[in-house]
This record gives sequence, C-alpha cells and structure tokens, in this order.
Amino acid sequence: GQQVMQIPQYQHVQEGEDFTTYCNSSTTLSNIQWYKQRPGGHPVFLIQLVKSGEVKKQKRLTFQFGEAKKNSSLHITATQTTDVGTYFCAGPLSREGTYKYIFGTGTRLKVLA
Amino acid sequence: DTGVSQDPRHKITKRGQNVTFRCDPISEHNRLYWYRQTLGQGPEFLTYFQNEAQLEKSRLLSDRFSAERPKGSFSTLEIQRTEQGDSAMYLCASSLGLAASEQYFGPGTRLTVT
Repeated sequence: GQQVMQIPQYQHVQEGEDFTTYCNSSTTLSNIQWYKQRPGGHPVFLIQLVKSGEVKKQKRLTFQFGEAKKNSSLHITATQTTDVGTYFCAGPLSREGTYKYIFGTGTRLKVLA
Repeated sequence: DTGVSQDPRHKITKRGQNVTFRCDPISEHNRLYWYRQTLGQGPEFLTYFQNEAQLEKSRLLSDRFSAERPKGSFSTLEIQRTEQGDSAMYLCASSLGLAASEQYFGPGTRLTVT
C-alpha cells in the first residue's frame, strides 16, 4: 500500500544549528501537509503545499514540495528550544475524491541548549 | 473554547469491555477524522466523515470498531470487546471545506486496556 516515510527518525542538534527532515511518498501526492507535535501534545498544523516545486517560508521554517510531488522537506534555520517536538508530513491517499491522509513516520527533534 | 474537544481524556478498561469515545469538532467543520497513535508512531488513519457520511474506513479496523456522526456534528467511536493491543491514543481531527484543508486535532483520548 501507499507509504510515507520520513528521515531521519531522530535528530539531536545544538541550539542555533540548522535542522532538516525529509518526507518521501511511494506515490505522487496532490498535496502535502506538515504538522508539529510537542511532547505530550497533539499534532498542530504548520503548512500545506500543493504545487510542484513549491517553496513556502514561515519565519525560520522553510518548506519545499518536490518537482515530482513525491517528496518534501522541512528546514529549520538556527533552531531554538521551542522547536523541540516531532514533525510529521501527511499526504492524501492517491485516489480521486478522497481526503484520507497517510501520516509519515515522523522525525523527533531534540534541541540542546 | 472553539477547538476540537474529546471526552473522556483518559479511559482505563478491562479486556473484553466495550468503550465509547466522543469528539466534538469545531463548529461548521464538515469533515471529521479519527486516528490512532501509539508511542513513537505517527497518527494512523481509522476513518473519516464528510458531514454525516462515513466516506473511508481503514482496512486495519476490525469489526470491533465502529464510528458514527449522526447529525454531521459530534462523532462517537466505539470499540467492542477491547483487547490489550487497542491501548493507544485516539485522536479526532476536523477540517473545513470540500478540498484539501488543514486538520485541527483534539487533545485525544488515551485508552489503556488491562
């Protein structure tokens, strides 16, 4: 079945260092969403990308959707302790008219002060 | 509070018992999702509704799981004859619109089956 994989699974960085997580789908995605889940919390929506090659920025966060719409990345510049959490990508099942989302395996980020 | 709410927040039950969880989505949100999440994993899709219609149901779900959204507002998820493997966080999310749109998650119901 359709799979959404993320790498790395874990990442420890020193505060101020950059961080990148990669999301890869086994099938082409019509759109991709990114969520952040703090320890003990629930997923919180960050952004949605729709167009091939799209790049969106939110302050220190940069999101990119691949040209083939099968991969995406999230890059955080100069991490802060508030960035701690697990980052998930999610893409819809490749079937027209459905909004069933498959979540990636997640990347857990720890920031060392 | 205009966010997604779930009740109860925690449920401890003995194996073989039935449990029911409730989700109240954000008002006017027409789409409602149920996910299951275990430690260290991403949310796993269970089912979703467009208004009162259940449009998708995971093949991972056995017949012990059922969900309803009778009037297109709140939803319930029932698990019959619970098993220890059902222990997880059950998350509800809602979204607005006909196209792809962001999902707002509730705080979840943590189920422990002893």
